[in-house]
Amino acid sequence: QQQVKQSPQSLIVQKGGISIINCAYENTAFDYFPWYQQFPGKGPALLIAIRPDVSEKKEGRFTISFNKSAKQFSLHIMDSQPGDSATYFCAALRGFGNEKLTFGTGTRLTIIP
Amino acid sequence: SQTIHQWPATLVQPVGSPLSLECTVEGTSNPNLYWYRQAAGRGLQLLFYSVGIGQISSEVPQNLSASRPQDRQFILSSKKLLLSDSGFYLCAWSGTRQGGEQFFGPGTRLTVL
Repeated sequence: QQQVKQSPQSLIVQKGGISIINCAYENTAFDYFPWYQQFPGKGPALLIAIRPDVSEKKEGRFTISFNKSAKQFSLHIMDSQPGDSATYFCAALRGFGNEKLTFGTGTRLTIIP
Repeated sequence: SQTIHQWPATLVQPVGSPLSLECTVEGTSNPNLYWYRQAAGRGLQLLFYSVGIGQISSEVPQNLSASRPQDRQFILSSKKLLLSDSGFYLCAWSGTRQGGEQFFGPGTRLTVL
């Protein structure tokens, strides 16, 4: 019930293409879904987040799509650039008073020229 | 603005030696604090979290312990390190005003030989 399943484990995309990373969850009590970006040797940094009252959130080239009925959410990176090469983690949180994030297993994204 | 510090940045320790990693947060009060471990190329494993001074919750039974002697200080310790304790240790904080967002420190790379 607490798991967040993330796919793919690794992804190679050509420069200028669209990178898509998917996550699925079981616990319908989750109500906050962030994505983190991590470069080698660095701590993860919050990239973008969404709450289930909206189906999509866009910030620059990064978009979260959220399907509440399917219990799935995904990260889309438009016009992918070599600087986007990093590991991406999805996560889910169940409300205030329970501040523990449940993380996906991560996707290593490589953008090739 | 809030900042989070971790030290040391890297550490090489022999098996059986003690460990003390420190994390401090600036610019906020009464944060929730977290210790994560990340094995090479793997996801984030929550080790401990704290909602206040002296309040520690353990997620995974092991030979590590955590303490929170001050509001914005979080310490990870071990009396005797094991080879399996090697990894990238990350401290994070969150606050009620941040709506569940967790902010990570730069991490400590621990190698146990």
